[in-house]
Amino acid sequence: GIQVEQSPPDLILQEGANSTLRCNFSDSVNNLQWFHQNPWGQLINLFYIPSGTKQNGRLSATTVATERYSLLYISSSQTTDSGVYFCAVGANFGNEKLTFGTGTRLTIIP
Amino acid sequence: SQTIHQWPATLVQPVGSPLSLECTVEGTSNPNLYWYRQAAGRGLQLLFYSVGIGQISSEVPQNLSASRPQDRQFILSSKKLLLSDSGFYLCAWSNGGAQVAIYFGEGSWLTVV
Repeated sequence: GIQVEQSPPDLILQEGANSTLRCNFSDSVNNLQWFHQNPWGQLINLFYIPSGTKQNGRLSATTVATERYSLLYISSSQTTDSGVYFCAVGANFGNEKLTFGTGTRLTIIP
Repeated sequence: SQTIHQWPATLVQPVGSPLSLECTVEGTSNPNLYWYRQAAGRGLQLLFYSVGIGQISSEVPQNLSASRPQDRQFILSSKKLLLSDSGFYLCAWSNGGAQVAIYFGEGSWLTVV
């Protein structure tokens, strides 16, 4: 199956800083999504982005499918951004065979 | 808008006891439904998914089972829990078809003692 690697595994930043999280995958994908898991366990879908660039407020994501990676950018970090960020990929267009990475744990210090 | 709920939020069960986790989706019809487990560490593992009533696909052989008695209801069960069943269980839904996002419920923390 597809292998997913996220980096860095842990990231500690001061409030207001910018960050870039990376997701590498081992094969062609037709499905790629980014999630934020808050400290209470809630998993929130941030982006559906198998290719191209999307922005939502302070968050943006870019997927370069031909080079098999995706980046999640967080600007002007806030303490509420803390948590674990996952990317999930799938070769199919549907969600039946998503493979999740092991995540990046982001800690924002006030 | 669509919402997803699962319960109970937390439970502590003795080894060998049965399990029933329930998940319901509102605001959509004929959703695809999923059960994931997140064990110690970070990775999410797909356990079951369903594309329709009575249609269950199992991804991992284990002592868990899933059922979909109604269009928007998904149940995760076990007849006899093992210590290794402890973890965080997440129900999720997506619309059928291609190029659609997946959305998760609040999760259920299971501790088997």
